[in-house]
Amino acid sequence: QKEVEQNSGPLSVPEGAIASLNCTYSDRGSQSFFWYRQYSGKSPELIMSIYSNGDKEDGRFTAQLNKASQYVSLLIRDSQPSDSATYLCAVANDKIIFGKGTRLHILP
Amino acid sequence: DVKVTQSSRYLVKRTGEKVFLECVQDMDHENMFWYRQDPGLGLRLIYFSYDVKMKEKGDIPEGYSVSREKKERFSLILESASTNQTSMYLCASSLATGRQVDYGYTFGSGTRLTVV
Repeated sequence: QKEVEQNSGPLSVPEGAIASLNCTYSDRGSQSFFWYRQYSGKSPELIMSIYSNGDKEDGRFTAQLNKASQYVSLLIRDSQPSDSATYLCAVANDKIIFGKGTRLHILP
Repeated sequence: DVKVTQSSRYLVKRTGEKVFLECVQDMDHENMFWYRQDPGLGLRLIYFSYDVKMKEKGDIPEGYSVSREKKERFSLILESASTNQTSMYLCASSLATGRQVDYGYTFGSGTRLTVV
């Protein structure tokens, strides 16, 4: 069974520090990788997508992909209290599979 | 921006009722999806559709059906609501076509359904 694994957290990070969120996946044929942010009581919002090995930066967010290790990560620089949310990793081959998410708490 | 609109934010229904959850997207997307999200279980795919009149079962289709009479509208139907269907229901659409997975999903705001 294809799986996407994330540490459920909570991950507590001081304001202004770098938050590092990790995800592993089981399907070596996966082609597309996504990070979603979900605030409590709200729906998931796509914040990053990455398709090839390496880093992809967008503002304070950097997605990292290592297909050989089947590992995806999301770095959030200069963490803000508004970054406190659950972050869902999603991995796609013929369909998108979501991880259960990591709760991130930014400490003011 | 793509907008995915779910008709109700909160809904309370009685056991045995037939329940309709409506979802409309305004960007001419072909692919649409219905998920439910429960604490500890994450997002689980109920049904999806790659085109009008087309539907495919997801991972947990039992007790549900769907309708897609128009491209922009994808409805989830609970044939006879039960308490174990109390959940957050999320509709999503994607720019991808068919089994293409290059694009992520845009989610609606969700419907929190309580079956009593």
